Amino acid sequence: EIVLTQSPGTLSLSPGERATLSCRASQSVFSTSLAWYQQKPGQAPSLLIYGASNRATGIPDRFSGSGSGTDFTLTISRLEPKDFAVYYCQQYGNSLWTFGQGTKVEIK
Amino acid sequence: QVQLQESGPGLVKPSETLSLTCAVSGYSISSGSYWGWIRQPPGRGLEWIGNIYHSGSTYHNPSLKSRVTISVDTSKNQFSLKLSSVTAADTAVYYCARRALGYAFDIWGQGTMVTVSS
Repeated sequence: EIVLTQSPGTLSLSPGERATLSCRASQSVFSTSLAWYQQKPGQAPSLLIYGASNRATGIPDRFSGSGSGTDFTLTISRLEPKDFAVYYCQQYGNSLWTFGQGTKVEIK
Repeated sequence: QVQLQESGPGLVKPSETLSLTCAVSGYSISSGSYWGWIRQPPGRGLEWIGNIYHSGSTYHNPSLKSRVTISVDTSKNQFSLKLSSVTAADTAVYYCARRALGYAFDIWGQGTMVTVSS
């Protein structure tokens, strides 16, 4: 099983700042299988990025994904108040989908 | 637009079988795509349970061993999850979702909370 480790666990930032979230895989992952989700309290996760760097429909361009192999990054260029939430990375490999443990982006 | 809605009992007794259904609207399951179940224990992260294709082929998380059964009913445009021999560790919000963009889940249901307790 491929384990995804997200860091940091919590990111405390102010609106307007840049957020950089990391997702590290225990072994190499196909970029096509790496996705990022946003989850707000009491809501289902919503897809932000698929294929490591492709924005899902309706996702603003302040969200960007990058990386390859074992290291992937989600960047939010300028945080807006509605961006404070928990973010999860997810991958598919060996007939198994796994998620990272999440990074909480909170208001500083 | 495509919408998914989970339904089923909110309370299940230990050792019994959890049964949930996901009704799909705005899209025909027979058209393709994979359909999945993901759960989230209170205050914790996401765990993939399994996927099914409209043809009925399935994948499931080996950590759940043989307790998982996922089926599809194209005539009703819905798919279902059964999880047998439940324990308190199976208490979670259960989500159904569509896997359509590569290996990502692009549409999610709102989720349904299932508590395992006597």
